[in-house]
Amino acid sequence: GIQVEQSPPDLILQEGANSTLRCNFSDSVNNLQWFHQNPWGQLINLFYIPSGTKQNGRLSATTVATERYSLLYISSSQTTDSGVYFCAVERHDYNQGGKLIFGQGTELSVKP
Amino acid sequence: NAGVMQNPRHLVRRRGQEARLRCSPMKGHSHVYWYRQLPEEGLKFMVYLQKENIIDESGMPKERFSAEFPKEGPSILRIQQVVRGDSAAYFCASSPVLGEWDTDTQYFGPGTRLTVL
Repeated sequence: GIQVEQSPPDLILQEGANSTLRCNFSDSVNNLQWFHQNPWGQLINLFYIPSGTKQNGRLSATTVATERYSLLYISSSQTTDSGVYFCAVERHDYNQGGKLIFGQGTELSVKP
Repeated sequence: NAGVMQNPRHLVRRRGQEARLRCSPMKGHSHVYWYRQLPEEGLKFMVYLQKENIIDESGMPKERFSAEFPKEGPSILRIQQVVRGDSAAYFCASSPVLGEWDTDTQYFGPGTRLTVL
């Protein structure tokens, strides 16, 4: 099956700093999503981005499908950005369509 | 447009009891997925359902676990004779009707946190 690796596993930032989170995947994919799991455990959709670049406020993401990686950029970080960031991919194979395979996440802590 | 609804949000069961977790997908969505997050771990796929059909259950434990998505009503994840190792957060996600090879965003519910005493 597809392997999804995220780096770094942990990240501590001072408020206002920028960061880049990386997601590598081992095979071609049909879907890639980034999520933020906040300290209360809720999973929040950030981006649906199987390829290309998208931006939403202070967050942006780029997926280079041919090179099998995706990047999540957080600019001017705030304490509310703290939590775990997950990358998840989906690949349509016979009997495997639909399920997301998650990476282990990057735990981000933003200090005031 | 209400999001994915899950209930209960917290569930406590004693070993040997049954746990029933419910998921109502977003309006217009007919694909439902269940995922489990064990303590200090990432999320693992369990099962993918469409109305009255199980499409992929490759992530479901072979025993004690079952899932359904009836024509009417919510999707149900059922765990029989729970054990302490079943303690986890169970998330449901939904996505809209798709063509056979299309993909779209999966939207996640708030999760049900199951604690087995």
